[in-house]
Amino acid sequence: ETGVTQSPTHLIKTRGQQVTLRCSSQSGHNTVSWYQQALGQGPQFIFQYYREEENGRGNFPPRFSGLQFPNYSSELNVNALELDDSALYLCASSSRLAGDGETQYFGPGTRLLVL
Amino acid sequence: QQPVQSPQAVILREGEDAVINCSSSKALYSVHWYRQKHGEAPVFLMILLKGGEQKGHEKISASFNEKKQQSSLYLTASQLSYSGTYFCGTEGGGGSQGNLIFGKGTKLSVKP
Repeated sequence: ETGVTQSPTHLIKTRGQQVTLRCSSQSGHNTVSWYQQALGQGPQFIFQYYREEENGRGNFPPRFSGLQFPNYSSELNVNALELDDSALYLCASSSRLAGDGETQYFGPGTRLLVL
Repeated sequence: QQPVQSPQAVILREGEDAVINCSSSKALYSVHWYRQKHGEAPVFLMILLKGGEQKGHEKISASFNEKKQQSSLYLTASQLSYSGTYFCGTEGGGGSQGNLIFGKGTKLSVKP
């Protein structure tokens, strides 16, 4: 186990609704990254938060937004849900070290189904 | 810019070896390898920074050829527990540092 927790584990929503997913980072980590993983695909980078600010964003529309809190936990918000948003949402925490690679440790994920 | 993994799938007998390749069209700062079992989160295996180093983790090792922008994961004397989908995640330098771009994965099945 990595120490990264996510809630909820499963969620069912309908098109047009809004959803908030939560992630608690591993102790000592200050960076949280969010990924979307469709069935049979690799994780796709959504965005990363470092020191409560967005630090890089993948090819996702603005209706995907996030927050990071002073305790380094994070939220992913998705507005106006679409059927294609159905996926496993993974958060990964890491420790930002200048000049070094960051090992990202994944949480168990939240499986979102949009009907 | 998504890295290309090969092969897409491989079936092994226990004790056999396998190599999984990961190629990128852009300059890389690091390559991260993960294994994901069905219904579970990806589990970190190892990270390789630019410099062409090779790393090992039990009977799993990896290399990173910075000039060719390629990485290979080597699994020797495979065990049933090695089954799963292996992903490489690549990281560019500069502003994209820390933002991993994953390949589509290589599904490895180890049979008794």
